[in-house]
Amino acid sequence: GENVEQHPSTLSVQEGDSAVIKCTYSDSASNYFPWYKQELGKGPQLIIDIRSNVGEKKDQRIAVTLNKTAKHFSLHITETQPEDSAVYFCAASLSGSARQLTFGSGTQLTVLP
Amino acid sequence: DGGITQSPKYLFRKEGQNVTLSCEQNLNHDAMYWYRQDPGQGLRLIYYSQIVNDFQKGDIAEGYSVSREKKESFPLTVTSAQKNPTAFYLCASSSDYNLAKNIQYFGAGTRLSVL
Repeated sequence: GENVEQHPSTLSVQEGDSAVIKCTYSDSASNYFPWYKQELGKGPQLIIDIRSNVGEKKDQRIAVTLNKTAKHFSLHITETQPEDSAVYFCAASLSGSARQLTFGSGTQLTVLP
Repeated sequence: DGGITQSPKYLFRKEGQNVTLSCEQNLNHDAMYWYRQDPGQGLRLIYYSQIVNDFQKGDIAEGYSVSREKKESFPLTVTSAQKNPTAFYLCASSSDYNLAKNIQYFGAGTRLSVL
């Protein structure tokens, strides 16, 4: 089955700096890669996703890049703000499969004021 | 969150006791999922259901049971056979898993502890 590794497990940045979280996956058939943000005591919420036919996608301060050859994808957050502090999870799935979404182990991002 | 209601927010289980976690969605989604979250780990799939009266085991189904008698409800029972039940449990739903982009929406979770 699919295996997703996520690094780093914790990340602290100064407000205004950029943050990068990286994930690798094992199944070359995976073709959908979402990122979820989980605030304390809440369920995860989708913040951005990318499909395998696209190399990069941006949404305001958030971007995701995908390298299918190397089987890795990354989340980039620019101009970080205190409200960006949360746990971020990457995931990978094979579209069309209900069993999908193998999650990474999560990254605790702390944005220091 | 997002039309998915999990209850209770906190639950305590005594030794040898079965407990049931509730998950209700008003999003008219076909598919529903249960995940377990442990500290420092990602979400692990317990059970999922693609349609009413049908469900499948996930990666860690042992010690758990589910039912899907109604489209909007997918309760999870943690049985006494689950020897390490302390965790945060998350329920999710999605509209159509056959879509190329199947977004899962999560509830706020239930934190289960053993007395």
